[in-house]
Amino acid sequence: EAQVTQNPRYLITVTGKKLTVTCSQNMNHEYMSWYRQDPGLGLRQIYYSMNVEVTDKGDVPEGYKVSRKEKRNFPLILESPSPNQTSLYFCASSPMPPEISYEQYFGPGTRLTVT
Amino acid sequence: RKEVEQDPGPFNVPEGATVAFNCTYSNSASQSFFWYRQDCRKEPKLLMSVYSSGNEDGRFTAQLNRASQYISLLIRDSKLSDSATYLCVVTSGYSSASKIIFGSGTRLSIRP
Repeated sequence: EAQVTQNPRYLITVTGKKLTVTCSQNMNHEYMSWYRQDPGLGLRQIYYSMNVEVTDKGDVPEGYKVSRKEKRNFPLILESPSPNQTSLYFCASSPMPPEISYEQYFGPGTRLTVT
Repeated sequence: RKEVEQDPGPFNVPEGATVAFNCTYSNSASQSFFWYRQDCRKEPKLLMSVYSSGNEDGRFTAQLNRASQYISLLIRDSKLSDSATYLCVVTSGYSSASKIIFGSGTRLSIRP
């Protein structure tokens, strides 16, 4: 089944404790992206990747890191989480960048709470 | 001013009604437009892309008005299962300068 998977789905952590949210897609997509969704603000792009070893900042990259060592995986790393990073996070992938009118496929989301 | 704006709703309409909502965007150079549907606490899923000539998919019709910089979504004969939040998505730029902006969504509730 074609899908984007994220783990963990739910995470409660404390300020400053490094964490990684994994994202994997099995559709051989070139483009992958991370978003956060907060009430009233919609989804905001954190980082995106056009291909292996190519990553770029989105609108809200501060406090996050990503890597794209393999085509299928695009982990999101929070080196020192803070309470303002409490949010719902979505990973997405598409065959090519969305600006060429390609559909994005989203993972099920990771709800992160930082206390 | 937000780059992509939507009326948050909620729109509360009876089953069978026709409902329409708009999404305005500020960047005149935007090139791709989409409507996504998001059920409560679930991931967004593509409803339809929006093309310059307008497009229809069953009960759903999407329109693009570049002059006034808005896109619209029309739902005819609404069903209970149409209850969801509808997200407008606009992209601009290319390659490393690309930008993808989501509206904050319009909540639609269909009542029996």
